[in-house]
Amino acid sequence: DAKTTQPTSMDCAEGRAANLPCNHSTISGNEYVYWYRQIHSQGPQYIIHGLKNNETNEMASLIITEDRKSSTLILPHATLRDTAVYYCIVRPPDLTQGGSEKLVFGKGTKLTVNP
Amino acid sequence: KAGVTQTPRYLIKTRGQQVTLSCSPISGHRSVSWYQQTPGQGLQFLFEYFSETQRNKGNFPGRFSGRQFSNSRSEMNVSTLELGDSALYLCASGGPGNTIYFGEGSWLTVV
Repeated sequence: DAKTTQPTSMDCAEGRAANLPCNHSTISGNEYVYWYRQIHSQGPQYIIHGLKNNETNEMASLIITEDRKSSTLILPHATLRDTAVYYCIVRPPDLTQGGSEKLVFGKGTKLTVNP
Repeated sequence: KAGVTQTPRYLIKTRGQQVTLSCSPISGHRSVSWYQQTPGQGLQFLFEYFSETQRNKGNFPGRFSGRQFSNSRSEMNVSTLELGDSALYLCASGGPGNTIYFGEGSWLTVV
């Protein structure tokens, strides 16, 4: 079973920030938080990941609470093309390339960006 | 840098037939995993290969199998196809940096 809980759906106005929450209260100390999104009929697209510090890249920002039990993905200026299902995933690191790359997907959040 | 390449993109098979899907990971990536996505079950892990060895396996029947070659390319095979095997089959590639990247998938329809 997925170790994360996300709202089923969210709406956001185009040009505004989209804040997608994720609860992962049973996360272990060495587990990372990953975010992917899937636009209809396409493969999941990697967005960002983090361990304990906040992270930012060209796509989004990831805010992880100090206790690491929840996180928020922020799309700073949502566009219509950001309409997708967003998945929050918890996984251990594969530091030695000897661990598993298995990802356990939940149902994700269906984000709809409205014009 | 090329991404994860899956072939074919679309295919239609008849019940009882078998199918082979192919995946070429990102250059330098040694890990390949496979997922099945259906409307009812969502994204489910099938199996994972690393250096030609199956490292992890999901809860699927033995009709689902895979292999990985020395160049890291991978194939998965489904034998004795059933209508319920109709799905999007996704391949993911993992390498240094702990990030996993997905291909666009292969749409399989069983009729």
